[in-house]
Amino acid sequence: KQEVTQIPAALSVPEGENLVLNCSFTDSAIYNLQWFRQDPGKGLTSLLLIQSSQREQTSGRLNASLDKSSGRSTLYIAASQPGDSATYLCAYQGAQKLVFGQGTRLTINP
Amino acid sequence: NAGVMQNPRHLVRRRGQEARLRCSPMKGHSHVYWYRQLPEEGLKFMVYLQKENIIDESGMPKERFSAEFPKEGPSILRIQQVVRGDSAAYFCASSPRSPPRDAQTQYFGPGTRLLVL
Repeated sequence: KQEVTQIPAALSVPEGENLVLNCSFTDSAIYNLQWFRQDPGKGLTSLLLIQSSQREQTSGRLNASLDKSSGRSTLYIAASQPGDSATYLCAYQGAQKLVFGQGTRLTINP
Repeated sequence: NAGVMQNPRHLVRRRGQEARLRCSPMKGHSHVYWYRQLPEEGLKFMVYLQKENIIDESGMPKERFSAEFPKEGPSILRIQQVVRGDSAAYFCASSPRSPPRDAQTQYFGPGTRLLVL
């Protein structure tokens, strides 16, 4: 069974902190792994995509790593801001579809 | 270049009615995916379509649900005789080529929130 687990389910931190969101997956035959942001009542915004042959990707204050052998990915957010408050979803690309975790609900307190 | 369009954005139906959800992919995209997000859960794959073909419907419930992507017009996800458990957000995504060539992203629409009373 294909599964993606995200820990923690929810996280609340003060503004300015660096934080790490975790994602683990059971399927070793992934093509890529993506991190998305979802705001309440909105669609998904792709943040970072890591190909299966890559180890990490960076975009601004975001850094995502991928370790296929252990089935883990992390999203690192530096110097968090209130605007970072959202649900963060991790998903891997299987043959025809994306398999999503249940998300981490992040709240950054001013 | 407009993104993926979905309509309606919100849909209210009573039990037993039919729900039709529409998805217009990004310009130049010929592959459409439907996902369902139940409350407090992640997105679950439902179906993958190309123009006039269903490629993978392994995530579709066996009854009451159907999807199409005609040669002309939007992709339609149809739910017959809705029940309260169908209440969810339904997201459509599109891509320009068949995966997994390249590390391309599926581009998501804003979703349709279905509420069954």
